[in-house]
Amino acid sequence: NAGVTQTPKFRVLKTGQSMTLLCAQDMNHEYMYWYRQDPGMGLRLIHYSVGEGTTAKGEVPDGYNVSRLKKQNFLLGLESAAPSQTSVYFCASSWALRAYEQYFGPGTRLTVT
Amino acid sequence: TQLLEQSPQFLSIQEGENLTVYCNSSSVFSSLQWYRQEPGEGPVLLVTVVTGGEVKKLKRLTFQFGDARKDSSLHITAAQPGDTGLYLCAGGVAANSGGSNYKLTFGKGTLLTVNP
Repeated sequence: NAGVTQTPKFRVLKTGQSMTLLCAQDMNHEYMYWYRQDPGMGLRLIHYSVGEGTTAKGEVPDGYNVSRLKKQNFLLGLESAAPSQTSVYFCASSWALRAYEQYFGPGTRLTVT
Repeated sequence: TQLLEQSPQFLSIQEGENLTVYCNSSSVFSSLQWYRQEPGEGPVLLVTVVTGGEVKKLKRLTFQFGDARKDSSLHITAAQPGDTGLYLCAGGVAANSGGSNYKLTFGKGTLLTVNP
């Protein structure tokens, strides 16, 4: 039981490049989330999903897109990376009935130069 | 916008000392979670409290939810180096009555260092 896994662990992009971050969970959770963590800003919600095929915007969605084609996977895309997107990205998941208890992955450290 | 203020921001103590960290808001939350995050890792859920006045104990850690459900505290007794980490509180509110649009608001954390 791996819990929540994220791929890749580290990535360096140049401004304007695109990439996709992959999150997978094996706990059969209905809900999945993408956060970014920046010094002095705490964890901020980018997008979330309450079920397969559904997504919704969080607090800081601009510049990101997401897809949830399968229940266990949640993808975060950056179409044209900007230095302001340099951050540590965390995926999390939860059961629908206990959505306040979120289980986090190990994070992806992204640097945009 | 709901905000959670954590204090202190940084705390450095010696092994064996006791400490308390605080999480305060002007908003009411349906639930309050505490997480611990170690360097290079994701946050790990420690506890959830949902009832005003609730107290939960986890070994040397004691968590309390304020009567008005606007604040919480984490008390650690006889701190150990293994307690070192970033402690985050998070308040939960159902964004709609159906509960399918649940949002967590995170505090910025208290960075605890326990020196041997």
